[in-house]
Amino acid sequence: DAMVIQNPRYQVTQFGKPVTLSCSQTLNHNVMYWYQQKSSQAPKLLFHYYDKDFNNEADTPDNFQSRRPNTSFCFLDIRSPGLGDTAMYLCATSRDQTSGGSDTQYFGPGTRLTVL
Amino acid sequence: QKEVEQNSGPLSVPEGAIASLNCTYSDRVSQSFFWYRQYSGKSPELIMSIYSNGDKEDGRFTAQLNKASQYVSLLIRDSQPSDSATYLCAVNDYGQNFVFGPGTRLSVLP
Repeated sequence: DAMVIQNPRYQVTQFGKPVTLSCSQTLNHNVMYWYQQKSSQAPKLLFHYYDKDFNNEADTPDNFQSRRPNTSFCFLDIRSPGLGDTAMYLCATSRDQTSGGSDTQYFGPGTRLTVL
Repeated sequence: QKEVEQNSGPLSVPEGAIASLNCTYSDRVSQSFFWYRQYSGKSPELIMSIYSNGDKEDGRFTAQLNKASQYVSLLIRDSQPSDSATYLCAVNDYGQNFVFGPGTRLSVLP
């Protein structure tokens, strides 16, 4: 089945120790997103890729970086995690249609990150 | 600043009743509307998408869209305890960005 896969599902890291989260998709969607979701809050968009074009949200801290080496894979790098970065990190994909707009977003299962 | 608003709840309904979830949005050019269900500790799962004014039905779920009033709702008929979750409304405006509401927590009481 076509899907969005995230690894690892759970990650514990120490304050300041870099961490990388990965996302892969078999949907062949041209848009990939990274969201941060803290407890009892809505998903907060960090950035997204439209093909190779990187789009950063204005309030995303510089501590968060992303890479998309090819259509299928996207990585979230947190260079120096702080305690406040403990959250669920969600990857999502969508297909942006040339006729206008993105189709439905599909989410991966998420990575639960704990910073100690 | 595009905004999507939802009542945070919790909304409690007895088993078998109709649950009504509401969402309003601020951007008049919004074109696509989505309802996601999210269980605690899980990722959002798409329930319904709606693009045109009126009603769209899928099993026990009905989405209603009124673009003039900038309002979209989700009705869940014959609510079950397994429907207890947070329901997220999301809006897309023909770009790649989806704006999410804060979610409404639904509790279906046996």
